[in-house]
Amino acid sequence: DGGITQSPKYLFRKEGQNVTLSCEQNLNHDAMYWYRQDPGQGLRLIYYSQIVNDFQKGDIAEGYSVSREKKESFPLTVTSAQKNPTAFYLCASSTGTAQETQYFGPGTRLLVL
Amino acid sequence: GEDVEQSLFLSVREGDSSVINCTYTDSSSTYLYWYKQEPGAGLQLLTYIFSNMDMKQDQRLTVLLNKKDKHLSLRIADTQTGDSAIYFCAEKRRGYNKLIFGAGTRLAVHP
Repeated sequence: DGGITQSPKYLFRKEGQNVTLSCEQNLNHDAMYWYRQDPGQGLRLIYYSQIVNDFQKGDIAEGYSVSREKKESFPLTVTSAQKNPTAFYLCASSTGTAQETQYFGPGTRLLVL
Repeated sequence: GEDVEQSLFLSVREGDSSVINCTYTDSSSTYLYWYKQEPGAGLQLLTYIFSNMDMKQDQRLTVLLNKKDKHLSLRIADTQTGDSAIYFCAEKRRGYNKLIFGAGTRLAVHP
């Protein structure tokens, strides 16, 4: 089955710790995205990548980092600089064409201990 | 404020029609989307409409676009309990490589 997988489903972070969220897609999509969702709010874009080895900051990139070494993978690291990391994180991918339908993974919920 | 606005909550009786509304501000929008999110899950694409269309129908779903008023709506016919979820509208603007999402409308279906 084609799709987007995210792992883990739940992740706990201790103070001062960096954690990495995984996102993998087998849809052969060029573009990948990371969003953050807080209760009662829409999705806010953290980072996106239109092509391998290239990525751009979204609206709330501070305290986060990404890499795009492979087309299929776009991991997100939540660094200790992110002071309020508790949220639901969603990864998405798209073909990157003008008709920008994005397909979403199941999400990772990050909690701070 | 939000560039894409939605009412936060809608309650309907099972079997009735639901209408979820969305307004956007940018006239350069090319595509507009409706996504559904069930509790603890990712977003599922329901449908999308190109900005030069007025209406799109797909089984129980009807999307209406009023480009002059920058108003988008999603009508769900014969609403069922399984339709209970949060519905997000999103717009794609010309020249932008990202989608702009509204805050979502929580649809509650009661017997």
